Amino acid sequence: GAVVSQHPSWVICKSGTSVKIECRSLDFQATTMFWYRQFPKQSLMLMATSNEGSKATYEQGVEKDKFLINHASLTLSTLTVTSAHPEDSSFYICSAGGISGKGTDTQYFGPGTRLTVL
Amino acid sequence: QKEVEQDPGPLSVPEGAIVSLNCTYSNSAFQYFMWYRQYSRKGPELLMYTYSSGNKEDGRFTAQVDKSSKYISLFIRDSQPSDSATYLCAMEGSGGSNYKLTFGKGTLLTVNP
Repeated sequence: GAVVSQHPSWVICKSGTSVKIECRSLDFQATTMFWYRQFPKQSLMLMATSNEGSKATYEQGVEKDKFLINHASLTLSTLTVTSAHPEDSSFYICSAGGISGKGTDTQYFGPGTRLTVL
Repeated sequence: QKEVEQDPGPLSVPEGAIVSLNCTYSNSAFQYFMWYRQYSRKGPELLMYTYSSGNKEDGRFTAQVDKSSKYISLFIRDSQPSDSATYLCAMEGSGGSNYKLTFGKGTLLTVNP
């Protein structure tokens, strides 16, 4: 138990377009979901925390108007990168807080989405 | 001083070696300790989860926590090339109520056949 999926796994888009990434907890309900960004050979950088039905809390330096987060249900959160530019190219990873089938209560990560903006 | 310190490596060992990965922390509020494994271009995968001082074993993996020294370790016995990945330590102080984790920078491990 505690499987998190992300879609798409890889996306290429033109500069100026918007891209939506979905994160789903498949076998558990997640009141809290997280969005991370990771550059090559670097650690995870937390972008924002979202609670179901509430506005997301963004980390310092993350533009909330550029990275729109919606957490409309206990199993789905979306990240929309608006007006994407080449510097937004990165690996985006979501995670969901919940309890696994073994009873372990922590964050479980999705497989990540590689965004390339041309 | 960062809340969680982890040597980024890289660490290269021969197949079959015992690997020791470590993190130190400064925040005594941390009560829950995790190790995640991240393969290249994949999301992190939870390996071990502990909340008390002492050892926890799962197959070839042993997680060790020493709260008095603020030091945690992950040992990998009989390491395999498939263990080659980045290992992230993570900590939480709130018992799962908000799930927010503080991560180490990760240690890149290569196990050579």
